[in-house]
Amino acid sequence: EPEVTQTPSHQVTQMGQEVILRCVPISNHLYFYWYRQILGQKVEFLVSFYNNEISEKSEIFDDQFSVERPDGSNFTLKIRSTKLEDSAMYFCASSEGPPGLGAKNIQYFGAGTRLSVL
Amino acid sequence: SQELEQSPQSLIVQEGKNLTINCTSSKTLYGLYWYKQKYGEGLIFLMMLQKGGEEKSHEKITAKLDEKKQQSSLHITASQPSHAGIYLCGAGNKLVFGAGTILRVKS
Repeated sequence: EPEVTQTPSHQVTQMGQEVILRCVPISNHLYFYWYRQILGQKVEFLVSFYNNEISEKSEIFDDQFSVERPDGSNFTLKIRSTKLEDSAMYFCASSEGPPGLGAKNIQYFGAGTRLSVL
Repeated sequence: SQELEQSPQSLIVQEGKNLTINCTSSKTLYGLYWYKQKYGEGLIFLMMLQKGGEEKSHEKITAKLDEKKQQSSLHITASQPSHAGIYLCGAGNKLVFGAGTILRVKS
């Protein structure tokens, strides 16, 4: 069964360093998303991406964050200068169709990358 | 903005017992997703409800959407240890999630 793959599973970094979280979405999916979950809190939407452009982003997704589809298979989230409060589980998701309600709109999630900022 | 409130926050049931988890929206619910999260893992899609009154079942899990009450319920019949995990409801295009319900099943 096709699945969303995220690497690494755990990333430890020093405050102020740049990190890149990687995702391989399901192959025929066209819409990509990043969410995060701070320990003990809700899963929060960060950004959606389609056709090499950001479709929507949340208030959390400030200038420190960027997303890219560097090739035909990978989708990345870069945090330019990490802060302690960036420590969280980051989930990548993908869907065949645009966000909405329908079989093609279901967002499938990866297992996540746990980011620890020291 | 839409908020989803789940109840209960956590639940411990004896294996074989039935249970219900509720998800209430602060705004009109046009549809809803249910996901399951195992501790420290990703979100696994369970079901999607597209319109009021809709009811869907998968194995021993049934979900319903009550548009008038702005609420969805997830019912598990004859719970098993494999049902343990965190159940999340989500709605909207930029999926907004509830805080989750932690389910433990005692064997």
